[in-house]
Amino acid sequence: SQKIEQNSEALNIQEGKTATLTCNYTNYSPAYLQWYRQDPGRGPVFLLLIRENEKEKRKERLKVTFDTTLKQSLFHITASQPADSATYLCALEVGAGSYQLTFGKGTKLSVIP
Amino acid sequence: EAQVTQNPRYLITVTGKKLTVTCSQNMNHEYMSWYRQDPGLGLRQIYYSMNVEVTDKGDVPEGYKVSRKEKRNFPLILESPSPNQTSLYFCASRRQGTYEQYFGPGTRLTVT
Repeated sequence: SQKIEQNSEALNIQEGKTATLTCNYTNYSPAYLQWYRQDPGRGPVFLLLIRENEKEKRKERLKVTFDTTLKQSLFHITASQPADSATYLCALEVGAGSYQLTFGKGTKLSVIP
Repeated sequence: EAQVTQNPRYLITVTGKKLTVTCSQNMNHEYMSWYRQDPGLGLRQIYYSMNVEVTDKGDVPEGYKVSRKEKRNFPLILESPSPNQTSLYFCASRRQGTYEQYFGPGTRLTVT
C-alpha cells in the first residue's frame, strides 16, 4: 500500500518569506495528489489538486509541484503571513484507481511576524 | 451553504455505553467517509461508503459500525466504546468522479 512522508513535523518561517513543505511517497506513482490545510480542532480544508501529468499548479500565493521521478510533491506558500500558520496535509489515492485517500501526518507551519 | 455537519461536537462517555455520531451532507455527494485523528498517527480512515447501502472497511474499522440508508447521512456507531477509541473524528464527503473531499467540523470523543 501507499506510504506518505511529510519530512518536517514543524516548520517555522519569517513573515514574507516563502514556505516550502515536502511530501514524499513510496510505491507506485498516484494519478493525483492533494494538499489540505487544517487549523487546530477543525476539519481539513482542500487547497489544491495536481495530476500526474501536471508539473506545477498555482492558486494565488500557493504553488504545488509534482515530480513522479523523485516521488515527491513540494508545496510553496509565497509571501507568507501569520494567517498561513496551520498544519498542511498531503493526500494520495490508496491504490491505483481507488477513491480512498491516505494522508500524511502533516507539517505544522508557523509564520512568525 | 454547502456543508458537512456532525453531531455531537463533543462527547464524554463511559466504557461500554453505545453511542452514535451522526454525519450529514447537503451536497448530494455519493461518497462519504469516516476518519479518526490521533496525535502522531495522523488521519486514518475507519469506514467509507461509495453510495447508499454500499459500505466498506478502511484502515481501522475494529470497534466501529456504519450504515448508509440515505444518501445524505452516514452515522458512525460505537457499540461498546473503549478508552482507545478516544479520538477526534471527522466525517467527509465527495462527489463521484471528483477527488476533493469536504470535511465536517469534527467530533471530539472521550471514553473513560
